[in-house]
Amino acid sequence: QLQLQESGPGLVKPSETLSLTCTVSGGSISSSSYYWGWIRQPPGKGLEWIGSIYYSGSTYYNPSLKSRVTISVDTSKNQFSLKLSSVTAADTAVYYCARHGFTPPFDYWGQGTLVTVSS
Amino acid sequence: QSALTQPASVSGSPGQSITISCTGTSSDVGSYNLVSWYQQHPGKAPKLMIYEGSKRPSGVSNRFSGSKSGNTASLTISGLQAEDEADYYCCSYAGSSTFYVVFGGGTKLTVL
Repeated sequence: QLQLQESGPGLVKPSETLSLTCTVSGGSISSSSYYWGWIRQPPGKGLEWIGSIYYSGSTYYNPSLKSRVTISVDTSKNQFSLKLSSVTAADTAVYYCARHGFTPPFDYWGQGTLVTVSS
Repeated sequence: QSALTQPASVSGSPGQSITISCTGTSSDVGSYNLVSWYQQHPGKAPKLMIYEGSKRPSGVSNRFSGSKSGNTASLTISGLQAEDEADYYCCSYAGSSTFYVVFGGGTKLTVL
């Protein structure tokens, strides 16, 4: 059974960089059939797609966040990572990692991790 | 790209049927048969309930069904049960020349 698990600091200071890692188990991140994505959900609000990566390193980003987002992959560790720079309180959210094909849907999700931006 | 439009809340009694709408544009819902629906219970990750407009993943009850007309997709839940009370989100592919998806704002389903 495929499982995804997010990890990283739960508290980040304003203007700093948020860094999260998603570890994939029960399957290979190097599968040619899937992309690996990040989605966030501010407290009490809806879902927002941040971006996705293929095992080869090819990336797609939400245009609204593109200037601040970097997603990378480490196939040797079966992990992919998110970096979001210059964070503000508006970036406070539960961050999920998820799997999808060349088109949606997102079929497997991590449990999510809350990141709070505060000094 | 704006979020898809969903009603903030819907409600129904056990055994009844409800429908949640998801309105987009000709650039997303109207252009692709790639609408998916997710159920989210409080404090939990979203769970895929419907994909490609009307397909159900293995293990999802046939009480859940999806459809689309023009720029509006719909999720229907029949035979409402207490455990169906949750938030529901629609999602549509909107990529054209690149990968891009947009979510709806979510609908809170209350089972009375």
